[in-house]
Amino acid sequence: DQQVKQNSPSLSVQEGRISILNCDYTNSMFDYFLWYKKYPAEGPTFLISISSIKDKNEDGRFTVFLNKSAKHLSLHIVPSQPGDSAVYFCAASEGGATNKLIFGTGTLLAVQP
Amino acid sequence: DVKVTQSSRYLVKRTGEKVFLECVQDMDHENMFWYRQDPGLGLRLIYFSYDVKMKEKGDIPEGYSVSREKKERFSLILESASTNQTSMYLCASSFPDRGPLRGYTFGSGTRLTVV
Repeated sequence: DQQVKQNSPSLSVQEGRISILNCDYTNSMFDYFLWYKKYPAEGPTFLISISSIKDKNEDGRFTVFLNKSAKHLSLHIVPSQPGDSAVYFCAASEGGATNKLIFGTGTLLAVQP
Repeated sequence: DVKVTQSSRYLVKRTGEKVFLECVQDMDHENMFWYRQDPGLGLRLIYFSYDVKMKEKGDIPEGYSVSREKKERFSLILESASTNQTSMYLCASSFPDRGPLRGYTFGSGTRLTVV
């Protein structure tokens, strides 16, 4: 049972345009949501996060939006750059001492020059 | 900078072998995790540990065990490697007091091929 889903395996965007990556979840106990970026042959690196008490968090070119009623979050990258080409994973957690993260299946973003 | 180091980048093992994947972190983190990454399946949690000698099963523990004898080291053990355990294995650690919004620090991964 996939609690965190990324329904688009891949996305191609022109440099300078907006990239929108989507993520859905089923567990209403999730309170924390994170996005990770992963290049081939490297470990994932933390990008941005949001808690369930907010609906938006912004960090430079990256903005995460959370729609709790729809159990949906999205990552906006604007403007997109070729260096943003990577696999993006969303992850969710109920918090607590162990803070176990449940990851989605990932979306491969290709930013075309 | 926190470092999570996985001892091997690439490993090739034979079916039936006992395989040890080692992970060391240098920031005194309590929590450590082992995930595997497979195409179309994302990252799936195998085991995690929230203290020395403590371990809990993740979502796919079958065929694996773990060992945490020291705080900085978390080992993943494939008791008898099988071809369906061919995967990218990722170790991560986190410090509970950092809060859930800071996430984990991951190692670079070990690409394991079982032949």
